Amino acid sequence: AQSVTQPDIHITVSEGASLELRCNYSYGATPYLFWYVQSPGQGLQLLLKYFSGDTLVQGIKGFEAEFKRSQSSFNLRKPSVHWSDAAEYFCAVNGDSSYKLIFGSGTRLLVRP
Amino acid sequence: NAGVTQTPKFRVLKTGQSMTLLCAQDMNHEYMYWYRQDPGMGLRLIHYSVGEGTTAKGEVPDGYNVSRLKKQNFLLGLESAAPSQTSVYFCASSFGFGDGYTFGSGTRLTVV
Repeated sequence: AQSVTQPDIHITVSEGASLELRCNYSYGATPYLFWYVQSPGQGLQLLLKYFSGDTLVQGIKGFEAEFKRSQSSFNLRKPSVHWSDAAEYFCAVNGDSSYKLIFGSGTRLLVRP
Repeated sequence: NAGVTQTPKFRVLKTGQSMTLLCAQDMNHEYMYWYRQDPGMGLRLIHYSVGEGTTAKGEVPDGYNVSRLKKQNFLLGLESAAPSQTSVYFCASSFGFGDGYTFGSGTRLTVV
Protein backbone atom coordinates (compact mmCIF):
# COMPACT_ATOMS: atom_id res chain seq x y z
CA ALA A 1 0.00 0.00 0.00
CA GLN A 2 1.10 3.53 -0.67
CA SER A 3 2.29 5.56 2.28
CA VAL A 4 4.05 8.79 3.16
CA THR A 5 6.28 9.34 6.17
CA GLN A 6 7.27 12.69 7.56
CA PRO A 7 9.67 11.76 10.36
CA ASP A 8 9.78 15.17 12.01
CA ILE A 9 6.68 16.22 13.92
CA HIS A 10 8.13 19.63 14.84
CA ILE A 11 11.05 21.62 13.52
CA THR A 12 12.29 24.94 14.88
CA VAL A 13 14.61 27.19 12.89
CA SER A 14 15.81 30.73 13.28
CA GLU A 15 14.61 33.36 10.86
CA GLY A 16 17.07 33.60 7.98
CA ALA A 17 18.34 30.06 8.45
CA SER A 18 17.94 27.34 5.85
CA LEU A 19 15.24 24.71 6.08
CA GLU A 20 14.83 21.11 5.03
CA LEU A 21 11.69 19.10 5.73
CA ARG A 22 11.90 15.38 5.13
CA CYS A 23 9.44 13.20 3.26
CA ASN A 24 9.74 9.51 2.40
CA TYR A 25 7.19 7.66 0.34
CA SER A 26 6.31 4.11 -0.51
CA TYR A 27 4.87 3.57 -3.95
CA GLY A 28 5.49 0.88 -6.52
CA ALA A 29 5.39 2.95 -9.66
CA THR A 30 6.70 6.39 -10.55
CA PRO A 31 5.10 8.64 -7.97
CA TYR A 32 3.36 11.94 -8.29
CA LEU A 33 4.51 13.96 -5.29
CA PHE A 34 3.23 17.13 -3.69
CA TRP A 35 3.99 19.51 -0.86
CA TYR A 36 1.22 21.51 0.78
CA VAL A 37 1.32 24.20 3.46
CA GLN A 38 -1.37 24.89 6.03
CA SER A 39 -1.44 28.11 8.02
CA PRO A 40 -3.38 28.08 11.31
CA GLY A 41 -7.12 27.92 10.75
CA GLN A 42 -6.72 27.67 7.00
CA GLY A 43 -7.02 25.06 4.32
CA LEU A 44 -4.07 23.53 2.52
CA GLN A 45 -2.26 25.38 -0.25
CA LEU A 46 -0.20 23.65 -2.91
CA LEU A 47 3.49 24.62 -2.73
CA LEU A 48 4.89 22.46 -5.52
CA LYS A 49 4.53 19.16 -7.32
CA TYR A 50 6.68 16.61 -9.09
CA PHE A 51 5.56 14.44 -11.97
CA SER A 52 8.59 13.65 -14.06
CA GLY A 53 11.65 15.22 -15.62
CA ASP A 54 13.96 17.48 -13.64
CA THR A 55 14.22 16.09 -10.14
CA LEU A 56 14.57 19.55 -8.61
CA VAL A 57 11.27 21.41 -8.69
CA GLN A 58 10.58 24.99 -7.81
CA GLY A 59 7.47 26.13 -6.03
CA ILE A 60 5.84 29.20 -4.64
CA LYS A 61 7.16 31.30 -1.76
CA GLY A 62 10.78 30.41 -2.56
CA PHE A 63 10.45 26.69 -1.79
CA GLU A 64 12.00 23.87 -3.77
CA ALA A 65 12.02 20.10 -3.45
CA GLU A 66 14.23 17.35 -4.77
CA PHE A 67 13.03 13.93 -5.84
CA LYS A 68 15.48 11.13 -5.12
CA ARG A 69 14.22 7.82 -6.42
CA SER A 70 17.04 5.80 -4.85
CA GLN A 71 16.11 7.11 -1.40
CA SER A 72 12.33 7.28 -1.98
CA SER A 73 12.48 10.83 -0.76
CA PHE A 74 11.03 14.18 -1.71
CA ASN A 75 12.49 16.70 0.73
CA LEU A 76 11.36 20.31 0.85
CA ARG A 77 13.94 23.08 1.16
CA LYS A 78 14.17 26.82 1.51
CA PRO A 79 17.46 28.71 1.69
CA SER A 80 16.29 31.44 4.07
CA VAL A 81 13.21 31.09 6.24
CA HIS A 82 10.90 34.02 6.98
CA TRP A 83 8.71 34.32 10.06
CA SER A 84 5.66 34.02 7.81
CA ASP A 85 6.74 30.48 6.86
CA ALA A 86 5.65 29.20 10.27
CA ALA A 87 2.93 26.69 9.42
CA GLU A 88 2.32 22.98 9.03
CA TYR A 89 3.68 21.26 5.97
CA PHE A 90 2.29 18.12 4.39
CA CYS A 91 3.86 15.82 1.85
CA ALA A 92 1.54 13.74 -0.33
CA VAL A 93 1.81 11.00 -2.96
CA ASN A 94 -0.76 9.77 -5.42
CA GLY A 95 -2.54 6.60 -4.37
CA ASP A 96 -3.76 3.67 -6.41
CA SER A 97 -5.63 6.10 -8.61
CA SER A 98 -3.79 9.11 -9.82
CA TYR A 99 -6.32 11.57 -8.47
CA LYS A 100 -6.31 10.25 -4.90
CA LEU A 101 -3.62 11.61 -2.66
CA ILE A 102 -2.14 9.98 0.43
CA PHE A 103 -0.92 12.54 2.95
CA GLY A 104 1.82 12.34 5.53
CA SER A 105 1.08 13.29 9.12
CA GLY A 106 2.65 16.71 8.72
CA THR A 107 5.60 18.69 10.09
CA ARG A 108 4.97 21.81 12.12
CA LEU A 109 7.54 24.52 11.47
CA LEU A 110 8.28 27.08 14.16
CA VAL A 111 10.41 30.11 13.34
CA ARG A 112 12.49 31.85 16.01
CA PRO A 113 12.94 35.60 15.65
CA ASN B 1 -12.83 33.41 -7.84
CA ALA B 2 -14.19 31.63 -4.80
CA GLY B 3 -12.55 28.27 -5.49
CA VAL B 4 -13.85 25.78 -2.93
CA THR B 5 -16.37 26.98 -0.36
CA GLN B 6 -17.37 25.01 2.71
CA THR B 7 -20.33 25.70 4.93
CA PRO B 8 -20.67 25.92 7.84
CA LYS B 9 -17.26 26.90 9.23
CA PHE B 10 -18.04 25.83 12.78
CA ARG B 11 -20.65 23.56 14.32
CA VAL B 12 -21.33 21.93 17.66
CA LEU B 13 -23.54 18.85 17.66
CA LYS B 14 -24.94 16.67 20.38
CA THR B 15 -24.34 12.95 20.16
CA GLY B 16 -26.95 11.37 17.92
CA GLN B 17 -27.80 14.51 15.98
CA SER B 18 -27.46 14.67 12.22
CA MET B 19 -26.04 17.31 9.95
CA THR B 20 -24.85 17.95 6.42
CA LEU B 21 -21.68 19.72 5.39
CA LEU B 22 -21.79 21.45 2.05
CA CYS B 23 -18.91 21.85 -0.35
CA ALA B 24 -19.22 23.95 -3.50
CA GLN B 25 -16.61 24.54 -6.18
CA ASP B 26 -16.77 26.90 -9.12
CA MET B 27 -13.80 25.58 -11.12
CA ASN B 28 -15.68 22.91 -13.08
CA HIS B 29 -13.56 20.22 -11.43
CA GLU B 30 -14.54 16.62 -12.01
CA TYR B 31 -13.15 15.17 -8.81
CA MET B 32 -14.14 16.10 -5.28
CA TYR B 33 -13.04 14.76 -1.92
CA TRP B 34 -13.85 14.89 1.77
CA TYR B 35 -11.03 14.56 4.28
CA ARG B 36 -10.89 14.75 8.02
CA GLN B 37 -7.91 16.13 9.87
CA ASP B 38 -7.01 15.03 13.37
CA PRO B 39 -3.91 15.96 15.37
CA GLY B 40 -0.91 13.80 14.51
CA MET B 41 -2.79 11.87 11.84
CA GLY B 42 -2.59 14.13 8.84
CA LEU B 43 -5.53 14.04 6.45
CA ARG B 44 -7.58 10.91 5.96
CA LEU B 45 -9.87 10.43 3.01
CA ILE B 46 -13.52 9.82 3.94
CA HIS B 47 -15.27 9.69 0.56
CA TYR B 48 -14.62 10.97 -2.90
CA SER B 49 -16.35 11.46 -6.23
CA VAL B 50 -15.00 11.18 -9.75
CA GLY B 51 -17.92 12.94 -11.37
CA GLU B 52 -21.52 14.01 -11.04
CA GLY B 53 -23.68 11.21 -9.68
CA THR B 54 -20.73 9.10 -8.49
CA THR B 55 -19.34 8.50 -5.02
CA ALA B 56 -16.80 6.09 -3.55
CA LYS B 57 -15.45 5.15 -0.14
CA GLY B 58 -12.11 6.35 1.06
CA GLU B 59 -9.99 5.32 4.01
CA VAL B 60 -12.42 6.13 6.86
CA PRO B 61 -16.00 6.08 5.47
CA ASP B 62 -17.88 4.60 8.44
CA GLY B 63 -20.50 6.91 9.92
CA TYR B 64 -20.58 9.20 6.89
CA ASN B 65 -22.58 9.40 3.70
CA VAL B 66 -22.09 11.59 0.65
CA SER B 67 -23.95 12.73 -2.41
CA ARG B 68 -22.99 14.51 -5.59
CA LEU B 69 -26.18 15.37 -7.40
CA LYS B 70 -24.62 18.38 -9.11
CA LYS B 71 -21.10 18.61 -10.43
CA GLN B 72 -20.27 21.67 -8.37
CA ASN B 73 -21.54 20.36 -5.02
CA PHE B 74 -20.39 17.54 -2.77
CA LEU B 75 -22.34 16.94 0.44
CA LEU B 76 -21.08 15.07 3.50
CA GLY B 77 -23.70 13.75 5.90
CA LEU B 78 -23.49 12.52 9.45
CA GLU B 79 -26.66 10.58 10.26
CA SER B 80 -25.97 10.06 13.97
CA ALA B 81 -23.00 12.04 15.20
CA ALA B 82 -20.54 10.51 17.66
CA PRO B 83 -17.79 12.16 19.72
CA SER B 84 -15.22 10.29 17.58
CA GLN B 85 -16.35 12.43 14.67
CA THR B 86 -15.07 15.58 16.34
CA SER B 87 -12.59 16.82 13.77
CA VAL B 88 -11.80 19.40 11.15
CA TYR B 89 -13.31 18.48 7.80
CA PHE B 90 -11.83 19.60 4.53
CA CYS B 91 -13.31 19.45 1.11
CA ALA B 92 -11.07 19.50 -1.94
CA SER B 93 -11.44 19.30 -5.68
CA SER B 94 -9.23 18.60 -8.66
CA PHE B 95 -9.57 18.82 -12.41
CA GLY B 96 -7.97 15.48 -13.03
CA PHE B 97 -4.74 13.65 -13.38
CA GLY B 98 -1.87 15.12 -11.42
CA ASP B 99 -3.33 18.56 -10.91
CA GLY B 100 -3.13 18.58 -7.15
CA TYR B 101 -6.05 19.65 -5.05
CA THR B 102 -7.74 22.95 -4.27
CA PHE B 103 -8.90 22.93 -0.66
CA GLY B 104 -11.67 24.68 1.15
CA SER B 105 -10.98 26.45 4.44
CA GLY B 106 -12.46 23.69 6.55
CA THR B 107 -15.34 23.00 8.93
CA ARG B 108 -14.55 22.55 12.60
CA LEU B 109 -17.05 20.10 14.05
CA THR B 110 -17.38 19.30 17.73
CA VAL B 111 -19.65 16.49 18.90
CA VAL B 112 -20.49 16.58 22.61
